[in-house]
Amino acid sequence: TQLLEQSPQFLSIQEGENLTVYCNSSSVFSSLQWYRQEPGEGPVLLVTVVTGGEVKKLKRLTFQFGDARKDSSLHITAAQPGDTGLYLCAPRMTTDSWGKLQFGAGTQVVVTP
Amino acid sequence: NAGVTQTPKFQVLKTGQSMTLQCAQDMNHNSMYWYRQDPGMGLRLIYYSASEGTTDKGEVPNGYNVSRLNKREFSLRLESAAPSQTSVYFCASSEARASNQPQHFGDGTRLSIL
Repeated sequence: TQLLEQSPQFLSIQEGENLTVYCNSSSVFSSLQWYRQEPGEGPVLLVTVVTGGEVKKLKRLTFQFGDARKDSSLHITAAQPGDTGLYLCAPRMTTDSWGKLQFGAGTQVVVTP
Repeated sequence: NAGVTQTPKFQVLKTGQSMTLQCAQDMNHNSMYWYRQDPGMGLRLIYYSASEGTTDKGEVPNGYNVSRLNKREFSLRLESAAPSQTSVYFCASSEARASNQPQHFGDGTRLSIL
């Protein structure tokens, strides 16, 4: 298992503020998925990024894949209480011949009205 | 749409007891997975099944066994439960391994071992 770091571990902000969470590794990713998990439920896919430097937008969420495919970020603009949840990055490592996902520990985001 | 269904949702066991966690998917997916989720450690893969009839160990397989009963069902068995196996267990499925299709998760089984 390759070292995968998500930061910060916890983020509490007011409604309307912006936030960014990060996913980093020393290994190269073949692709990366971001999931959101709400209490009592399983994770749900938000986006998949494949190409280095790729930027994808999903309403107020912007996902970026690093040029070297070793990192990714998720930026939320004008956060709303509905954005509250655990955000998990899940890359596929180029070193894994089976192509399994490896999940980060997650960033817990709390958006208060 | 049911998606991935896990049973039971909650379970309390005593050390040394055995039990089987059930998982079924109705999306005709080939690949299925069992994860455990512990605070601060993310989701860790216990076992996976690339297709019906095949199973392989993941990152933390010790103390567990699995059965891919058919294409729909993938069960996880704890033969002799230990307190270290207290966790939330998630089953997931996807169309195929190593694809960029999403993994679809159940809502989890919350297991406490006393």
